[in-house]
Amino acid sequence: AQSVTQPDIHITVSEGASLELRCNYSYGATPYLFWYVQSPGQGLQLLLKYFSGDTLVQGIKGFEAEFKRSQSSFNLRKPSVHWSDAAEYFCAVGAAGNKLTFGGGTRVLVKP
Amino acid sequence: DAMVIQNPRYQVTQFGKPVTLSCSQTLNHNVMYWYQQKSSQAPKLLFHYYDKDFNNEADTPDNFQSRRPNTSFCFLDIRSPGLGDAAMYLCATSRPTGATEAFFGQGTRLTVV
Repeated sequence: AQSVTQPDIHITVSEGASLELRCNYSYGATPYLFWYVQSPGQGLQLLLKYFSGDTLVQGIKGFEAEFKRSQSSFNLRKPSVHWSDAAEYFCAVGAAGNKLTFGGGTRVLVKP
Repeated sequence: DAMVIQNPRYQVTQFGKPVTLSCSQTLNHNVMYWYQQKSSQAPKLLFHYYDKDFNNEADTPDNFQSRRPNTSFCFLDIRSPGLGDAAMYLCATSRPTGATEAFFGQGTRLTVV
């Protein structure tokens, strides 16, 4: 069975600083990997996805993520965070039929 | 814009009183999903439909049922809500196979009183 681990429950970052969110997955085949963002009381918005090919993927809002098969990781990065990036971020792995297994989430707080 | 719409956004129901949440989509996707997300937790898949084929997750309680009368609509029925069923319920859709993403609605926040 697939699983996703996000080691950091909370991260606080200053506005303008860089951000990296960690994600490790366990999956028996080539994974489909996703990062979603959720603002309070809202649904999930897709930031980016990895299916195959180039291991560095670009997403919306200036985010990128790198797939590293050897480390079973799919870490999310942003060079310079904005106050509007404060939210909860979920890494997910997709199984057959695109059923998603989510990590526990990382809540990002942005300091002025 | 094509999208996934959930109604209502907020639902308050009484303990033990049946409640129905609805989801509609204009994406014409074959697959529709219901996820439950409790406070400060990750979304957890309850079940999904592949067209009219219903697929229940093994640990989804019998208290939760679903209906999909047509491609566009899917309903989540909670037969006898308990306090532990208070959560955000998220509907999502996707194409059936291959490299594709899930599109989520805005969710319905269910409160049980």
